[in-house]
Amino acid sequence: GAVVSQHPSWVICKSGTSVKIECRSLDFQATTMFWYRQFPKQSLMLMATSNEGSKATYEQGVEKDKFLINHASLTLSTLTVTSAHPEDSSFYICSATSRAGGSDTQYFGPGTRLTVL
Amino acid sequence: DQQVKQNSPSLSVQEGRISILNCDYTNSMFDYFLWYKKYPAEGPTFLISISSIKDKNEDGRFTVFLNKSAKHLSLHIVPSQPGDSAVYFCAASVGSGGSNYKLTFGKGTLLTVNP
Repeated sequence: GAVVSQHPSWVICKSGTSVKIECRSLDFQATTMFWYRQFPKQSLMLMATSNEGSKATYEQGVEKDKFLINHASLTLSTLTVTSAHPEDSSFYICSATSRAGGSDTQYFGPGTRLTVL
Repeated sequence: DQQVKQNSPSLSVQEGRISILNCDYTNSMFDYFLWYKKYPAEGPTFLISISSIKDKNEDGRFTVFLNKSAKHLSLHIVPSQPGDSAVYFCAASVGSGGSNYKLTFGKGTLLTVNP
């Protein structure tokens, strides 16, 4: 099946620093990747849609200058949390779409736990 | 505004019995629905989906039912196994493909299957 990896799986950083999270589709090419955020006991909230070779589309309320997304290739998208603050502490999950059997299926990565001190 | 609602935060069933997880939605534009299973510290795993042109889709022990008039769907797991214990997320989208394929998730229901 389609596998999506994320790196790192967890990260702790100081307030004011930047953190980069990678999302890779390991055995398929993904023209579209999505970034989600999940706070404790909440649903996954879509942050942005990332298309290879173009600018990401951000959901309402998500600061594009704070959450920088780069989708440089068909197998890699990165999310950089700039000037992180404690309120950015969350579980960040990416997904990638694979078209098989004529329909798109979103495959999710294992997530990255970010803790900002 | 929560467009996809899973009103039961948790459900406990006995092994071998049926598990029924419920989901309601408010956006009448949604026409594709999915269920995902999630273990702690892992990403969601796709389980089963249903298009709005159907009212039932079955895959092994998993069956999803859709009642469009009630804006309600449910996931049935029969028979339930201890390995099914996880958080189950209901998700919905407008359309089922393309770069605008955005999923809206519910808050999830923690299913515990007791041996």
